[in-house]
Amino acid sequence: DAGVIQSPRHEVTEMGQEVTLRCKPISGHNSLFWYRQTMMRGLELLIYFNNNVPIDDSGMPEDRFSAKMPNASFSTLKIQPSEPRDSAVYFCASSSYNEQFFGPGTRLTVL
Amino acid sequence: GESVGLHLPTLSVQEGDNSIINCAYSNSASDYFIWYKQESGKGPQFIIDIRSNMDKRQGQRVTVLLNKTVKHLSLQIAATQPGDSAVYFCAEKSGGSYIPTFGRGTSLIVHP
Repeated sequence: DAGVIQSPRHEVTEMGQEVTLRCKPISGHNSLFWYRQTMMRGLELLIYFNNNVPIDDSGMPEDRFSAKMPNASFSTLKIQPSEPRDSAVYFCASSSYNEQFFGPGTRLTVL
Repeated sequence: GESVGLHLPTLSVQEGDNSIINCAYSNSASDYFIWYKQESGKGPQFIIDIRSNMDKRQGQRVTVLLNKTVKHLSLQIAATQPGDSAVYFCAEKSGGSYIPTFGRGTSLIVHP
């Protein structure tokens, strides 16, 4: 199994641009999580999907952030418009019950 | 959940020593606990877990101890190696929730 796959691994963009992060969870896992990690705030849960349905999006910072899961094998996290304070590492994780498997993350830099 | 401040607690050890990383949790309803290891530039990786009906669980070179009375969790690493250098996170879940609460990470530095 290739594990959780995220793309791109690195993204550098300018303030105001739209950013789309992608995630392919492990096949058979029915839960998917998007996290953001910064030195200041640590690991923050942004949104959680179960069976492709958003269950908890209370961690999404503001309306500029949106996430979708059109099918069991793909999810996106979109930031529009992006701001410098969005710079962070964004992780996708999937699980079938207890253990979460994390992807390698996308390092986002907004200039 | 807990928030992580600017400065992570750091544990510095010599290669071959045993390491103990501690974690306090606040939710008395938590019934499942996990330790993750995060190496530089990578995502967190599962190490070992323990349910609240247990006090101790052993893996390969790692042992997790759970003290529910004082809401304390520890990870012991035997014969620490340079490859163990990473940030270690504890996480807790309760009542069948799918969403873990991550604790403050601890940076482990192993000197050869």
